[in-house]
Amino acid sequence: ETGVTQSPTHLIKTRGQQVTLRCSSQSGHNTVSWYQQALGQGPQFIFQYYREEENGRGNFPPRFSGLQFPNYSSELNVNALELDDSALYLCASSSRDRVLVDEQYFGPGTRLTVT
Amino acid sequence: KQEVTQIPAALSVPEGENLVLNCSFTDSAIYNLQWFRQDPGKGLTSLLLIQSSQREQTSGRLNASLDKSSGRSTLYIAASQPGDSATYLCAVRNYGQNFVFGPGTRLSVLP
Repeated sequence: ETGVTQSPTHLIKTRGQQVTLRCSSQSGHNTVSWYQQALGQGPQFIFQYYREEENGRGNFPPRFSGLQFPNYSSELNVNALELDDSALYLCASSSRDRVLVDEQYFGPGTRLTVT
Repeated sequence: KQEVTQIPAALSVPEGENLVLNCSFTDSAIYNLQWFRQDPGKGLTSLLLIQSSQREQTSGRLNASLDKSSGRSTLYIAASQPGDSATYLCAVRNYGQNFVFGPGTRLSVLP
């Protein structure tokens, strides 16, 4: 059984650029959630994907978007990068039944720096 | 809207001490609560998951309790070691919702 993986590990972008972060979910999991963690703070929920559809979104603007693929891996895309987007981006995978979300397992994160 | 707070924000103790980390939440209608550990610049490692019907969970030197009525959870670490130094995060999930995290407690265990 493989764990949750994320790529790249680190990324440096310039304000206004676009970025794509990737996440491979743990074997057997069909749900992926993305979180943004600013320095010194707890993670903030961005959105969740379940069976290739967005299923819940936090308080983030539309320039944050995502995809989930048939193998349940996922991408997070951020357009028009701003300095405040600099953060650790965490992906978590889980198995979901009809109503409830099971225990989440987190990847190591992608550190994004916007200059 | 669920809000989660953690006290203290930072804690420094000598090796061998028993310690308690606190987590408070405003909406008691939770589905579960999970404690995580995070090393600097790294992802989150799950420590303990407590379902809403449970009062506590134990794993090795760690014990987490849950009191839904008062909106509180505590993480007890016995016989602390320098390797326990990390940030500890509490996360709460309400039914049909995603995790809401606290800001974390930064723990330093001094040798």
